[in-house]
Amino acid sequence: GENVEQHPSTLSVQEGDSAVIKCTYSDSASNYFPWYKQELGKRPQLIIDIRSNVGEKKDQRIAVTLNKTAKHFSLHITETQPEDSAVYFCAASITPGNTGKLIFGQGTTLQVKP
Amino acid sequence: EPEVTQTPSHQVTQMGQEVILRCVPISNHLYFYWYRQILGQKVEFLVSFYNNEISEKSEIFDDQFSVERPDGSNFTLKIRSTKLEDSAMYFCATGTGAGIQYFGAGTRLSVL
Repeated sequence: GENVEQHPSTLSVQEGDSAVIKCTYSDSASNYFPWYKQELGKRPQLIIDIRSNVGEKKDQRIAVTLNKTAKHFSLHITETQPEDSAVYFCAASITPGNTGKLIFGQGTTLQVKP
Repeated sequence: EPEVTQTPSHQVTQMGQEVILRCVPISNHLYFYWYRQILGQKVEFLVSFYNNEISEKSEIFDDQFSVERPDGSNFTLKIRSTKLEDSAMYFCATGTGAGIQYFGAGTRLSVL
């Protein structure tokens, strides 16, 4: 069935360093890949997304890359700050369509040490 | 900025009781979803709803679960006879069909 694998499960970096989180997906029909940030007890918040017709997308300190052939996509956070500490989830979806369900990875707990 | 609104924020119930979780979607959104997150685990898809009918449901969404949009605004998830293992955070999400989904703040369901 559909599956998204996410690594690592935990990541600890020093403030100012970069952080990279990687995901692989199983369904080759997937064409939409969002990343959500979830702070403790809060809702998942969309931070960046990428569609399959694009290989890379950047928004300030955050970037996402996609390798469709390998079915990999990654989140890159540069110049990390303590407020980046949270759980990050990748997801995959097929869109457009009247389903569009998100299949989530297991999550990565990012800790940024001041 | 428009938000998905969920009520209640926390629901405590006895095993075997029925619960209804409510969601008010963003006004121009037509695609509605329920997801579940057991404490410390990943977010899991339960059901998608479009054009007043279920478009897909997961294995978790068994006969004890149902969804409806009774009045054109609220989108509800009903669990008919709750079990201990239903304890989780339930998120409603809505979207326009282009992929992006916006999540509500969630309802924490505690089954005792």
